[in-house]
Amino acid sequence: DQQVKQNSPSLSVQEGRISILNCDYTNSMFDYFLWYKKYPAEGPTFLISISSIKDKNEDGRFTVFLNKSAKHLSLHIVPSQPGDSAVYFCAAVGGSQGNLIFGKGTKLSVKP
Amino acid sequence: DAGVIQSPRHEVTEMGQEVTLRCKPISGHNSLFWYRQTMMRGLELLIYFNNNVPIDDSGMPEDRFSAKMPNASFSTLKIQPSEPRDSAVYFCASSYIASVYQETQYFGPGTRLLVL
Repeated sequence: DQQVKQNSPSLSVQEGRISILNCDYTNSMFDYFLWYKKYPAEGPTFLISISSIKDKNEDGRFTVFLNKSAKHLSLHIVPSQPGDSAVYFCAAVGGSQGNLIFGKGTKLSVKP
Repeated sequence: DAGVIQSPRHEVTEMGQEVTLRCKPISGHNSLFWYRQTMMRGLELLIYFNNNVPIDDSGMPEDRFSAKMPNASFSTLKIQPSEPRDSAVYFCASSYIASVYQETQYFGPGTRLLVL
């Protein structure tokens, strides 16, 4: 059973517009969430994280929102750039889990 | 720092052969993780070590898979015998864990394995 779900396998956005990537989780014990970005033929790289004591964390063009009651988090990229085209993985950790649990990823395509 | 180093980057082998994947974590990191990525299952954790000791190997699919970490700077993931369904990209990642909280993991470039 998937504890971290990214229900959209792909997303296409026009350059300059906002990209919103969504992630849902089922384990209420998760208390730390991360987003990773992955380019083809490379390993995932850390992008941004959020602790469960916050509901928003911002880093430049990237903002992560956490809604604990809905067990939902989202990554906003604004403005989107062609270089943002990659696969984005949501990950969570906490409770009895001593390791990151990843979603299956969402492939973002930003078109010029 | 050179980051997490994995070798080989690509491996093509025949069913039944032994495959050994290698990983050198970032110096100073005390935890190492092996992941497998497939289209069907996404990124799944196989095993992770803390201070060279295996902590959780529940993700290792079968007895055909084994992993070792003889020292803080080297780990191997071995598949013997290999099967076509083992074809995937295998990632190694490392991090520094100072508390119960998981710190950021840094991933290697991966090894793309194809078993014919």
